[in-house]
Amino acid sequence: GQSLEQPSEVTAVEGAIVQINCTYQTSGFYGLSWYQQHDGGAPTFLSYNALDGLEETGRFSSFLSRSDSYGYLLLQELQMKDSASYFCAVRDGGTGGFKTIFGAGTRLFVKA
Amino acid sequence: ETGVTQSPTHLIKTRGQQVTLRCSSQSGHNTVSWYQQALGQGPQFIFQYYREEENGRGNFPPRFSGLQFPNYSSELNVNALELDDSALYLCASSSRGGGREQETQYFGPGTRLLVL
Repeated sequence: GQSLEQPSEVTAVEGAIVQINCTYQTSGFYGLSWYQQHDGGAPTFLSYNALDGLEETGRFSSFLSRSDSYGYLLLQELQMKDSASYFCAVRDGGTGGFKTIFGAGTRLFVKA
Repeated sequence: ETGVTQSPTHLIKTRGQQVTLRCSSQSGHNTVSWYQQALGQGPQFIFQYYREEENGRGNFPPRFSGLQFPNYSSELNVNALELDDSALYLCASSSRGGGREQETQYFGPGTRLLVL
């Protein structure tokens, strides 16, 4: 079956760096995405990795290791507005067609 | 560029009833996915439509069905509602361009369904 594991909660201070890890198990892996969701809002796309390595987009970076079925989201220069839930998601092309499987989410609390 | 819209925003139904939720894709997007999100959980994939055909389905029973129209808007229908169907229903549109473009899903604000 398909599953993703990520920490349920992370707390960090403003200005710091935080890393949110994600391990996955799928039958037909296409890529790993990250989404941010504020309370009461819709998920918004942050990044996507199909190949091994680091992708950088401003303060956010995402890493993938396909051989380890592992990825992480790195948030730098944390701001209060970064307090939100962060979801990793995998694109799976196994039986039943294409699916996007989301993790349970990591709630990030940024303190002053 | 018009974003993804969903209607209604909130809905209250009773057990056993049927419901139809609607989604308008972002301009230029031909793929729509539907998700169910319970409070404090990640979105659960229901199904995906590409050019009016279902091309992927999650672990949801057949009473969850959908449609995609020629203008790429979409409907989610749920029959015989159960209490556990109470959740936020999200639709997301994307372009079938491959790679990052295909994987960038734009979510609508969701429909919050309460089944009593």
